[in-house]
Amino acid sequence: SQQGEEDPQALSIQEGENATMNCSYKTSINNLQWYRQNSGRGLVHLILIRSNEREKHSGRLRVTLDTSKKSSSLLITASRAADTASYFCATDGNDMRFGAGTRLTVKP
Amino acid sequence: DTAVSQTPKYLVTQMGNDKSIKCEQNLGHDTMYWYKQDSKKFLKIMFSYNNKELIINETVPNRFSPKSPDKAHLNLHINSLELGDSAVYFCASSQRQGVRNEKLFFGSGTQLSVL
Repeated sequence: SQQGEEDPQALSIQEGENATMNCSYKTSINNLQWYRQNSGRGLVHLILIRSNEREKHSGRLRVTLDTSKKSSSLLITASRAADTASYFCATDGNDMRFGAGTRLTVKP
Repeated sequence: DTAVSQTPKYLVTQMGNDKSIKCEQNLGHDTMYWYKQDSKKFLKIMFSYNNKELIINETVPNRFSPKSPDKAHLNLHINSLELGDSAVYFCASSQRQGVRNEKLFFGSGTQLSVL
């Protein structure tokens, strides 16, 4: 199994701006998932994109997947202070694995 | 109603002690996991149990012993605690092992500090 690696490690933006985080992985996947972790809490599932999908939306979240480049991106539009958290990607398999996440700070 | 609950939330102990962290899920899931998150936020899988059967046992010191009395519970016992064991430990569950498109449900974590 493999893990996702998020980039950048940290991102700081102003409220209202868009935030883009990237994830790279190394081998073929069936799906890729994004999770959010608020400070001092567990991870919460945000969105799943299957390998045959290129883009998926959920509210202010937009996820893209490029299997040829083995990469995914998570876009949060019109960010809010409440979006401040760490964001992780994880690839599928019997043992879902995560990277170190992108720490997003949205300043009011 | 908390879906995945783990206790305690904080655990401060001395080197050499033995401690346990408990985890329970009320989602009816078949698979449970333990993850370790280090100070750099890197989240690493430790163990996976499917219906009380050990599926994954990563390269974890044998001082760590998971115990699953039933599929709703997965406890983590740690013997002879070392400074390097300090981390946040997360329990998680998913509906079925090895099924595509399964998402994980996480507990809120146990912050272990070994002094």
